[in-house]
Amino acid sequence: QSVLTQPPSASGTPGQRVTISCSGSSSTIGSNTVNWYQQFPGTAPKLLIYRNIQRPSGVPDRFSGSKSGTSASLAISGLQSEDEADYYCASWHDSLNAWVFGGGTKLTVL
Amino acid sequence: QVQLVQSGTEVKKPGASVKVSCKASGYRLTDYYMHWVRQAPGQGLEWMGMINPDSGATDYAQKFQGRVTMTRDTSTSTAYMELSGLTSDDTAGYFCAREFNYGAGNFDFWGQGTLVTVSS
Repeated sequence: QSVLTQPPSASGTPGQRVTISCSGSSSTIGSNTVNWYQQFPGTAPKLLIYRNIQRPSGVPDRFSGSKSGTSASLAISGLQSEDEADYYCASWHDSLNAWVFGGGTKLTVL
Repeated sequence: QVQLVQSGTEVKKPGASVKVSCKASGYRLTDYYMHWVRQAPGQGLEWMGMINPDSGATDYAQKFQGRVTMTRDTSTSTAYMELSGLTSDDTAGYFCAREFNYGAGNFDFWGQGTLVTVSS
């Protein structure tokens, strides 16, 4: 059971907009920023969004992040087949003094 | 260009220890914190801890306290993660990751991963 809760799966068709949610608590998202990672099978995760809404250079602006209260969301617009991957949210946990991740969401492009 | 290159696949027996290396290039190791994250087969990501390569100070996840040791060798720009008392539950891919802004958790560069299999 992950400290941050994500839906196990999400799907969309090419060109659609999909969102992936990440639910935490006052000890995590409620008092800290959220980062998002994209991971393809057999490879290392890639930083997609940091500090809730910031995109590292090279990440397309089709990817956007938001945060409200103890929850955060990753939105992908103009969905493409190459976006099919696993997505993880992450935040600092004030009580555990640790970085914690969501369980991951497998995105399928239909 | 920034690269983190990890050591190769390991197969260990229960009770043994494993030491994984992570060689940094393209930047100065001491300028950024290094974290270790693991991923069991088919499972999610789990943070293990971090090291300040400049001072050598470490911070470990409670779950791994007493079993994990993170070190660095600045002369070779290499970070190390050693895990002892291995059980089958430690079978996982182990990743090193650089934190670009201290405290932000923005792990901008990752090693390719080291698969550790624990089996009798």
